[in-house]
Amino acid sequence: SQKIEQNSEALNIQEGKTATLTCNYTNYSPAYLQWYRQDPGRGPVFLLLIRENEKEKRKERLKVTFDTTLKQSLFHITASQPADSATYLCALVLTGGFKTIFGAGTRLFVKA
Amino acid sequence: ETGVTQTPRHLVMGMTNKKSLKCEQHLGHNAMYWYKQSAKKPLELMFVYNFKEQTENNSVPSRFSPECPNSSHLFLHLHTLQPEDSALYLCASSQEGRTSNYNEQFFGPGTRLTVL
Repeated sequence: SQKIEQNSEALNIQEGKTATLTCNYTNYSPAYLQWYRQDPGRGPVFLLLIRENEKEKRKERLKVTFDTTLKQSLFHITASQPADSATYLCALVLTGGFKTIFGAGTRLFVKA
Repeated sequence: ETGVTQTPRHLVMGMTNKKSLKCEQHLGHNAMYWYKQSAKKPLELMFVYNFKEQTENNSVPSRFSPECPNSSHLFLHLHTLQPEDSALYLCASSQEGRTSNYNEQFFGPGTRLTVL
């Protein structure tokens, strides 16, 4: 069966440390993988996209890796801040572009 | 602000009511989406419209009826809903080029729907 899985438990880290979130999927062949941030009571906000032929993408303090052999993406936030506390969603964009499959998200808490 | 607005932000309705959710995007995008988000569950794609044509209907019950009169507006008409339909309903838009497939989506704030 097709699945996309993210850590269901919340991740608690200390300010200044690197947060690493995991996204695993099975039986999908995504063209792209995206990461979104969602704050309580608000819609998700797009952060980064990585293509199937890319290994790594960076944007400021964010880094995403994509291993299509392992069917896994890792999302890193370096020098984390309390303002980074939110739920982070990974999303697979399937061939054709319009069908996007979201994971349930991982809640991140960064303590000052 | 993401440029996607949704009204109302909160809605409480009985199972026999008929109501509509409205979404408007001010970004000049050509694709619009409806998602359902229930507590601790992934976003579920409901409908996709590309250039006003429905391109995806993800096995959604007929008590949910979408309407896309133009590329800036999207409606979700609701009738005879069930309590399990209570959720956050999110609208999104994206710009699809003829050769690009990035599908970066811009979401509205959502409508929190409660069905009694």
